[in-house]
Amino acid sequence: DSGVTQTPKHLITATGQRVTLRCSPRSGDLSVYWYQQSLDQGLQFLIQYYNGEERAKGNILERFSAQQFPDLHSELNLSSLELGDSALYFCASSTRGTSRHEQYFGPGTRLTVT
Amino acid sequence: DAKTTQPNSMESNEEEPVHLPCNHSTISGTDYIHWYRQLPSQGPEYVIHGLTSNVNNRMASLAIAEDRKSSTLILHRATLRDAAVYYCILTGGTSYGKLTFGQGTILTVHP
Repeated sequence: DSGVTQTPKHLITATGQRVTLRCSPRSGDLSVYWYQQSLDQGLQFLIQYYNGEERAKGNILERFSAQQFPDLHSELNLSSLELGDSALYFCASSTRGTSRHEQYFGPGTRLTVT
Repeated sequence: DAKTTQPNSMESNEEEPVHLPCNHSTISGTDYIHWYRQLPSQGPEYVIHGLTSNVNNRMASLAIAEDRKSSTLILHRATLRDAAVYYCILTGGTSYGKLTFGQGTILTVHP
């Protein structure tokens, strides 16, 4: 158990819909990262937050947005869902969010868009 | 981001040591070498990381070449639970620690 929690575990929804994925980091960790894992693209970095502020952005679509709240939990919002958004979404946390700090991953949310 | 090269797959027998190589010839002086693994149906798991010196922890050892252009993850006694995809990743500069996952090495452990 990494100490990072993600809800829900599974999500099935229809195209065009909007969903919210939630992540609670390990106690004391200030930085949260979101990653997407799909069969064709592998594991890809989406976005990083540090203490409530966006710090780095990766291959995140404009239809996707995220935020980190004062209690440090984070939410990833996916809207206008397409079939290709079906994937595993992982959240990870680290103490200070720099290149010398390791990340601890949650169990993921499996999103299926039908 | 500096690139890493790993073998696509490796095999080992249970209770034997495993040496997983990683080449990173374009590594910069401030890049950290991280290893993560992903077991089937699970999220990635941190294994170990280092900058210049060899590192040991309860899971593994990391041997870094003197010129830092390659490194080796060492599992001292492989168990069936170590069967996973192992990723060697460089982080540094303004990356803020974001992980760029490649294809990794699929490790198969035989009983």
